[in-house]
Amino acid sequence: KAGVTQTPRYLIKTRGQQVTLSCSPISGHRSVSWYQQTPGQGLQFLFEYFSETQRNKGNFPGRFSGRQFSNSRSEMNVSTLELGDSALYLCASSPDTQRNYGYTFGSGTRLTVV
Amino acid sequence: DAKTTQPTSMDCAEGRAANLPCNHSTISGNEYVYWYRQIHSQGPQYIIHGLKNNETNEMASLIITEDRKSSTLILPHATLRDTAVYYCIVRVIYYGGSQGNLIFGKGTKLSVKP
Repeated sequence: KAGVTQTPRYLIKTRGQQVTLSCSPISGHRSVSWYQQTPGQGLQFLFEYFSETQRNKGNFPGRFSGRQFSNSRSEMNVSTLELGDSALYLCASSPDTQRNYGYTFGSGTRLTVV
Repeated sequence: DAKTTQPTSMDCAEGRAANLPCNHSTISGNEYVYWYRQIHSQGPQYIIHGLKNNETNEMASLIITEDRKSSTLILPHATLRDTAVYYCIVRVIYYGGSQGNLIFGKGTKLSVKP
């Protein structure tokens, strides 16, 4: 079956702009989580959605937001982009994070802010 | 912060077993040990997880000490394609709760050499 699909794969934006990234989870997976990966900070949790509700949130400023649709697809938005937002953004899906399942990650969206 | 300690890097000869240690001395009774790996520029890949018993799947074996304060991931016959960063993560499973995120540390950079 198809894996986790993230679009676009690469993105270049200018400081001050906003960006929306998309994630389509594995069919049947209702949980979607987002992570940011940078060389300096490593992999950091952004937020988790389950059945269209944000269930958990990491320590990121309010410029980072997300949502989940009824078909479990998720988007994350970053407003007023800063140079430090340049990173690999990863999406992961799971059937249900409240149970003992592993996450399946997508290949990520590489965002470059110039 | 990550609750695990791993060596920064390790080398392994192709065809030999790779044994990757992880220390999680403050692990709680309801925390599982998960292993993921990340091949360069790809999303992390789930390998295996366990609570207190040793586990084996088609990718690897997980050995957890009796006191659960440490574990070892074993790749029985390492290949060049196993070169990656390996992350050991402890994760609480809440039944009915909301915590589902993974807290990644720095991981171990495993280099498999011909």
